[in-house]
Amino acid sequence: DVKVTQSSRYLVKRTGEKVFLECVQDMDHENMFWYRQDPGLGLRLIYFSYDVKMKEKGDIPEGYSVSREKKERFSLILESASTNQTSMYLCASSFNGPNYGYTFGSGTRLTVV
Amino acid sequence: AQKITQTQPGMFVQEKEAVTLDCTYDTSDQSYGLFWYKQPSSGEMIFLIYQGSYDEQNATEGRYSLNFQKARKSANLVISASQLGDSAMYFCAMRANSGGYQKVTFGTGTKLQVIP
Repeated sequence: DVKVTQSSRYLVKRTGEKVFLECVQDMDHENMFWYRQDPGLGLRLIYFSYDVKMKEKGDIPEGYSVSREKKERFSLILESASTNQTSMYLCASSFNGPNYGYTFGSGTRLTVV
Repeated sequence: AQKITQTQPGMFVQEKEAVTLDCTYDTSDQSYGLFWYKQPSSGEMIFLIYQGSYDEQNATEGRYSLNFQKARKSANLVISASQLGDSAMYFCAMRANSGGYQKVTFGTGTKLQVIP
């Protein structure tokens, strides 16, 4: 069964901490994405990567960075966590092309206190 | 720019009845893909159905079908014979070229509640 695995289901962090969210896929997908999901705002793209060591800003990259050193792993980094980064974070991966949808991880609910 | 519009924030349907969830899209691309995802309260996003822009027939997957009207730029999801387990958020999405990349744009979702 193909999978996208996010390292934590629930996470509580303190303001100012550096936070790492890990995502691993086993489908040899070129593309990987990080979204955050907030009530009433839908899914918003934070960063994406179309290949190893490649990264592009999405719609809301401020306060985040990413790393993709290996094809299967895409990490989201909150440099200094703030309370407005409390959210559900969803990782997704896909092959490239308009006829390929995403496979999602199960999500990480991050609370910053 | 790509845009997906879902105008129904919430809907109710009686168990065993059919329901249609609306979705309209906007893109200048000729080649694009349309998708529907289901998100139960547990949070994971589950792929339901796909329609390619060049597909002439409407896509079907079990109880799900996609009513694709290209000229109207609509891609409505039809769920037949609703079940209690269909209660969830449903997102319409489109993958098309944006700034040189094939990105997916999501709608804001429709919350479906199935009534026994």
